[in-house]
Amino acid sequence: SQQGEEDPQALSIQEGENATMNCSYKTSINNLQWYRQNSGRGLVHLILIRSNEREKHSGRLRVTLDTSKKSSSLLITASRAADTASYFCATDVGAQKLVFGQGTRLTINP
Amino acid sequence: DTAVSQTPKYLVTQMGNDKSIKCEQNLGHDTMYWYKQDSKKFLKIMFSYNNKELIINETVPNRFSPKSPDKAHLNLHINSLELGDSAVYFCASTNQGGGVYEQYFGPGTRLTVT
Repeated sequence: SQQGEEDPQALSIQEGENATMNCSYKTSINNLQWYRQNSGRGLVHLILIRSNEREKHSGRLRVTLDTSKKSSSLLITASRAADTASYFCATDVGAQKLVFGQGTRLTINP
Repeated sequence: DTAVSQTPKYLVTQMGNDKSIKCEQNLGHDTMYWYKQDSKKFLKIMFSYNNKELIINETVPNRFSPKSPDKAHLNLHINSLELGDSAVYFCASTNQGGGVYEQYFGPGTRLTVT
């Protein structure tokens, strides 16, 4: 099975609400990253959290990391229609590569 | 200016043909990647080059051959295309610097094999 698994696979909320996505992984990591992919586009890096960090903020994004539970969450506050996209977590497990999960499809309804 | 560009954006071809996808980055990065994204959106690394040297080759059939003429370019040649090769192929780049940091992705090449 995959290193990173996002939950839920799909999420639909109303504009203005908060969206929370979770990522679980299996092995120890150097860092964990979140990416966004709009339909038909490439992935865009959102935020990186190192293994010795527990929380990080960037604008409306808040990422937490719990290395004891091997999990991370991405919170998007005050969601907007433009946040509709797929969100992927990716783990740096060494070996000079990132391992991506299958993503959470987020739909923001106006 | 486009940071990571790929050509072509769409590629439709028949089984058995040979095709190439090109990637260029103007970010001055030292490492480039090829990823394959299947219909379920699962993104899997295929190859990685650091300063023109092959670093990662992830159990990819030898019908796939990457080539890096210089550190700004990474091309992917596919021989004897099969139906299962249909997917979106993404190029990405980063500066390794002793770790794996944020990666910049190209827009993708949607390959359809009929």
